[in-house]
Amino acid sequence: GDSVTQTEGQVTVSESKSLIINCTYSTTSIAYPNLFWYVRYPGEGLQLLLKVITAGQKGSSRGFEATYNKETTSFHLQKASVQESDSAVYYCALGDETGGYKVVFGSGTRLLVSP
Amino acid sequence: GGIITQTPKFLIGQEGQKLTLKCQQNFNHDTMYWYRQDSGKGLRLIYYSITENDLQKGDLSEGYDASREKKSSFSLTVTSAQKNEMAVFLCASNGGRQDTQYFGPGTRLLVL
Repeated sequence: GDSVTQTEGQVTVSESKSLIINCTYSTTSIAYPNLFWYVRYPGEGLQLLLKVITAGQKGSSRGFEATYNKETTSFHLQKASVQESDSAVYYCALGDETGGYKVVFGSGTRLLVSP
Repeated sequence: GGIITQTPKFLIGQEGQKLTLKCQQNFNHDTMYWYRQDSGKGLRLIYYSITENDLQKGDLSEGYDASREKKSSFSLTVTSAQKNEMAVFLCASNGGRQDTQYFGPGTRLLVL
């Protein structure tokens, strides 16, 4: 079945430094499913950070960017300069193109931004 | 905007007990979901409902029942709680295929 892999369980970055959180996906679909990044800030519920529905396109929100790369089946999350307020858990997710309703989530990456 | 409410916030039960978690949404969304999240892990789909009175099994449905009483509410029942079963159960809703999902705050379950 479909799957999403986030290799880092936790990433620590100093404030103002750049960030990459890795995400790769595997799908049996011949079409291109939607890709998502969700985020959970401390004390808050899980919420959408950004979404890309077209292969080759880039999504952006709150200074974060992610590009849908169908060749490498990747959807890495990047930010040029992180802030302490970015400390959160980030989840990469893949829409189920077959049925359309399910979403497969990665295991999450906890980002700690040190001052 | 809208909101998803989950009750209770914390649920403590005994082994073998039947336990029910409730979810309400006022987005007027057609589709609702129940996920289980174990500590440090991703979300796993238990049940989802495409519309009122519809139920679809997810990858983790064994040991659970669900009920979509009306469009705005979706309940999950743990049919026989297992000792040391600790997880957060998240309810979500969206407007349809591959749409953004909106999540509730979660119910934390502890079985003694």
